[in-house]
Amino acid sequence: SQQGEEDPQALSIQEGENATMNCSYKTSINNLQWYRQNSGRGLVHLILIRSNEREKHSGRLRVTLDTSKKSSSLLITASRAADTASYFCATVPSGGGADGLTFGKGTHLIIQP
Amino acid sequence: DGGITQSPKYLFRKEGQNVTLSCEQNLNHDAMYWYRQDPGQGLRLIYYSQIVNDFQKGDIAEGYSVSREKKESFPLTVTSAQKNPTAFYLCASRAPTGVSSGANVLTFGAGSRLTVL
Repeated sequence: SQQGEEDPQALSIQEGENATMNCSYKTSINNLQWYRQNSGRGLVHLILIRSNEREKHSGRLRVTLDTSKKSSSLLITASRAADTASYFCATVPSGGGADGLTFGKGTHLIIQP
Repeated sequence: DGGITQSPKYLFRKEGQNVTLSCEQNLNHDAMYWYRQDPGQGLRLIYYSQIVNDFQKGDIAEGYSVSREKKESFPLTVTSAQKNPTAFYLCASRAPTGVSSGANVLTFGAGSRLTVL
């Protein structure tokens, strides 16, 4: 079953602006991950944040996690046209993730030059 | 280069036919997964396998079958019993647990797009 829900479903911004996507989930987690999918391609792992972490950075990416609100956000700073893609959050439950990750429906990000 | 190879990239099938999608990995990962993705939707788990000769049903296993005879290979058969098979299929693998930097992170193939005519 899908646990994560991304918001907004679609986002269009100008190149150079910051893009923020949100993810809400329902149950206790071990970690939360963000993936990127270019059109017609597989998903690529971007960043993982554990349940005991509140913020994590990787290059132009910043992820926050609020376990009390069961929510996470992904910020992409100084966006580029190449950032155009769909972004998915995925959760691993507290009991472990033997059956893989539970994915949301994604946010489709369009960066306009 | 280590990775996951899915084939074919595009596949067309007539109604009533079974088709098999290939997934091969050279990452030495134990666990492998098959997901289905419909337009504008997230990924739904079809089947997964944690070790050779063992696999488990996911959320939408009806109409699909898998085998895991080798660690490197996890083929998915879409049978004629699957009522709406047109979709994008993604295979993934996961590093062994205990590898802290890679725990629960999935590596995906490029996908196979199946269209039923």
